[in-house]
Amino acid sequence: DQQVKQNSPSLSVQEGRISILNCDYTNSMFDYFLWYKKYPAEGPTFLISISSIKDKNEDGRFTVFLNKSAKHLSLHIVPSQPGDSAVYFCAASATVLEYGNKLVFGAGTILRVKS
Amino acid sequence: DTGVSQDPRHKITKRGQNVTFRCDPISEHNRLYWYRQTLGQGPEFLTYFQNEAQLEKSRLLSDRFSAERPKGSFSTLEIQRTEQGDSAMYLCASRKKWGTHAPGELFFGEGSRLTVL
Repeated sequence: DQQVKQNSPSLSVQEGRISILNCDYTNSMFDYFLWYKKYPAEGPTFLISISSIKDKNEDGRFTVFLNKSAKHLSLHIVPSQPGDSAVYFCAASATVLEYGNKLVFGAGTILRVKS
Repeated sequence: DTGVSQDPRHKITKRGQNVTFRCDPISEHNRLYWYRQTLGQGPEFLTYFQNEAQLEKSRLLSDRFSAERPKGSFSTLEIQRTEQGDSAMYLCASRKKWGTHAPGELFFGEGSRLTVL
């Protein structure tokens, strides 16, 4: 039962262009969504988040869009840089139920930014 | 502010042996989480503590798994009678219950990789 799905295992983008990573979810109780970035031999690190009451959140080069009706979110990175090459995990939380901030993660998308 | 520390980073063991992993969270973080990540998958929730109390356990945590956080500081995750299917990266994370973090923001350690032969 995959409640959070990242259907693209990998994505390759040219430096300077836009990277778009997608994520779909099935559980209507999810009300908070996050993106984590993971480099090899390191733990995941928090990147950006969005509450279900918003449809967009922006932080520098990173923007997350949420489409609640479609149960879909996406992460846009503009412009992409070689240092952005990493695995990106989409995660969701049902904070309204106080699940202790328990996160449900997708399988991840490997982003490669070519210089 | 040191990060989350996990030990050992890598453990190779034979099937049937017991293994124990240790996690030292960021100081003053009262919530501590254990996740498991297998190849090609995202982290999966195992259990979490608020201070010393274990508040939730996943169905993934079979009877062979036990986690403790005796004084509300460091935590241990023990796996008894290891099986090859236990081979995975075991990630520890921590956060404050209430703080300046985003609601789902967890601070992860580098993980402990278990290989069961």
